Amino acid sequence: AQKVTQAQTEISVVEKEDVTLDCVYETRDTTYYLFWYKQPPSGELVFLIRRNSFDEQNEISGRYSWNFQKSTSSFNFTITASQVVDSAVYFCALSEVQTDSWGKLQFGAGTQVVVTP
Amino acid sequence: ETGVTQSPTHLIKTRGQQVTLRCSSQSGHNTVSWYQQALGQGPQFIFQYYREEENGRGNFPPRFSGLQFPNYSSELNVNALELDDSALYLCASSGGGTGGYEQYFGPGTRLTVT
Repeated sequence: AQKVTQAQTEISVVEKEDVTLDCVYETRDTTYYLFWYKQPPSGELVFLIRRNSFDEQNEISGRYSWNFQKSTSSFNFTITASQVVDSAVYFCALSEVQTDSWGKLQFGAGTQVVVTP
Repeated sequence: ETGVTQSPTHLIKTRGQQVTLRCSSQSGHNTVSWYQQALGQGPQFIFQYYREEENGRGNFPPRFSGLQFPNYSSELNVNALELDDSALYLCASSGGGTGGYEQYFGPGTRLTVT
């Protein structure tokens, strides 16, 4: 079963618009970690943010912000005032702290973000 | 601080052959994970090595095997290559053997099986 669902396949915006990426996850663990990664055309996955299941405080880091809601199992990510360099595929990932899942990042299918000038 | 490096960058192999991919972990990291990313999909976990021991494995057949060396670098070996093995293979290193640490990825090796 898919543990991480990113329903948006592609989002196209014009520069300076805000972009919100949706992520819904599924787990029975009480302790888990959620991540967002960015994959530009070069292919390398770039770590953006991490959140643990005990910390629902939403934060802002530069142009990035995230909204973690355990009640709806969602971990949404927003890019404010988008720039062309933000064009990439964005992945949400889950890491469960069970023995057989230890260290395993489970990725969603990704959302392609296209920012045009 | 040196990031994660992988070699080679690209590789073309024939069905049935064997391949070895290499990864050097980021300085100070003792854990290496390998992922397979097919075109248009998210990465799929292959396995993880922590202090030279396998520390978790995904749904991949035994012909996918690995090693981690005392300097924490790692190899991924794939035997009896199949066409479906064509993918981007990503290596990631992290600072611990648990799932809570962020993993830092290398640039990947693009494997094409013909």
